Amino acid sequence: DGGITQSPKYLFRKEGQNVTLSCEQNLNHDAMYWYRQDPGQGLRLIYYSQIVNDFQKGDIAEGYSVSREKKESFPLTVTSAQKNPTAFYLCASSPWTGSNQPQHFGDGTRLSIL
Amino acid sequence: QKEVEQDPGPLSVPEGAIVSLNCTYSNSAFQYFMWYRQYSRKGPELLMYTYSSGNKEDGRFTAQVDKSSKYISLFIRDSQPSDSATYLCAMSAISGTYKYIFGTGTRLKVLA
Repeated sequence: DGGITQSPKYLFRKEGQNVTLSCEQNLNHDAMYWYRQDPGQGLRLIYYSQIVNDFQKGDIAEGYSVSREKKESFPLTVTSAQKNPTAFYLCASSPWTGSNQPQHFGDGTRLSIL
Repeated sequence: QKEVEQDPGPLSVPEGAIVSLNCTYSNSAFQYFMWYRQYSRKGPELLMYTYSSGNKEDGRFTAQVDKSSKYISLFIRDSQPSDSATYLCAMSAISGTYKYIFGTGTRLKVLA
């Protein structure tokens, strides 16, 4: 079955700690995205990548980092510089980044502070 | 003013009712309009995808776009308890941008 797999489902971070969220897709999509979802707010774009070894900042990139070493994988690191990391993190992909290519989502990782 | 406005609900309806979910927007450059359904603790699932104005139907779901009023709607006919979820609208401009703008979501409860 083709799809997007995010892991872990739940993650806890201690103060001063970096944590990495995994996102893997087997849809052969070129473009991948990371969003943050907070109650009462729309999804906000953190980073996106159009091709391997290339990625761009979204609207709220501060305190986050990404890599895109393989087409299938787009991990997100939440660094200690992100002071309010508690949120639901969603990874998405699309065939490419054109407007006429709808994005498909994984089932998310919920990150909380210990 | 937000670029996309969506009533957060919750909206409660009896089983079998027709549901109308709506979003308004301010950016006239938006040409692509999406509706996603999100169950609790899950990721959004693409329901409907439309380009420009007009209607699109898929089973019990109808998406409607009125660009002159900057207003989009999702209608659900014969609503079922399994339709209980949060519905997100999203939209994007025609210029080949990656950027989607999402509404905050409307929570729907269909009562058996």
